Amino acid sequence: DVKVTQSSRYLVKRTGEKVFLECVQDMDHENMFWYRQDPGLGLRLIYFSYDVKMKEKGDIPEGYSVSREKKERFSLILESASTNQTSMYLCASSLLTDRTTGELFFGEGSRLTVL
Amino acid sequence: GQNIDQPTEMTATEGAIVQINCTYQTSGFNGLFWYQQHAGEAPTFLSYNVLDGLEEKGRFSSFLSRSKGYSYLLLKELQMKDSASYLCAVIDSNYQLIWGAGTKLIIKP
Repeated sequence: DVKVTQSSRYLVKRTGEKVFLECVQDMDHENMFWYRQDPGLGLRLIYFSYDVKMKEKGDIPEGYSVSREKKERFSLILESASTNQTSMYLCASSLLTDRTTGELFFGEGSRLTVL
Repeated sequence: GQNIDQPTEMTATEGAIVQINCTYQTSGFNGLFWYQQHAGEAPTFLSYNVLDGLEEKGRFSSFLSRSKGYSYLLLKELQMKDSASYLCAVIDSNYQLIWGAGTKLIIKP
């Protein structure tokens, strides 16, 4: 069974804290993505990566950074968490050769609350 | 700008049929996806359409009309486990995914 695993399902942090969200996939996929999901809005892309050490900004990168040191792991970092970053964060992966169909495999999400 | 519209919420009865619509205005088109997302769970792939017409997969079918910028997901013989959100997403000309806000489907006995 293919699997995308996110390290934390639920986190509560204080404003200004540094937050790490980790994502690991076991499918040897080249592409990895970080989205946030908020009520009433579609999924919004924060960052994505097509290869190790590569990263590309998505639609809403401000306040976030990412790290991809190994193919299977893609981390999202909030350098200084703010209340408007309270959200559900979804990690996903897909095959590079699958760009035209782009089927994404998602993790179960990390629900972050910033107080 | 790019836009995808879906109804926010729909209610249907167990055993019935429901159609969830999705209309889109995007810069180019390279395919349309439907994903299912149960509450508190990961979205999972349901279907992909790139050519006009109906694609059937068991109880679920997905239809696309590129000229009208329109798709629908048809669910037959509804079961309680079909209660979920259904997400429509379009690949634009830059191969970026544009997501709708999702339709929450409530199934009643």
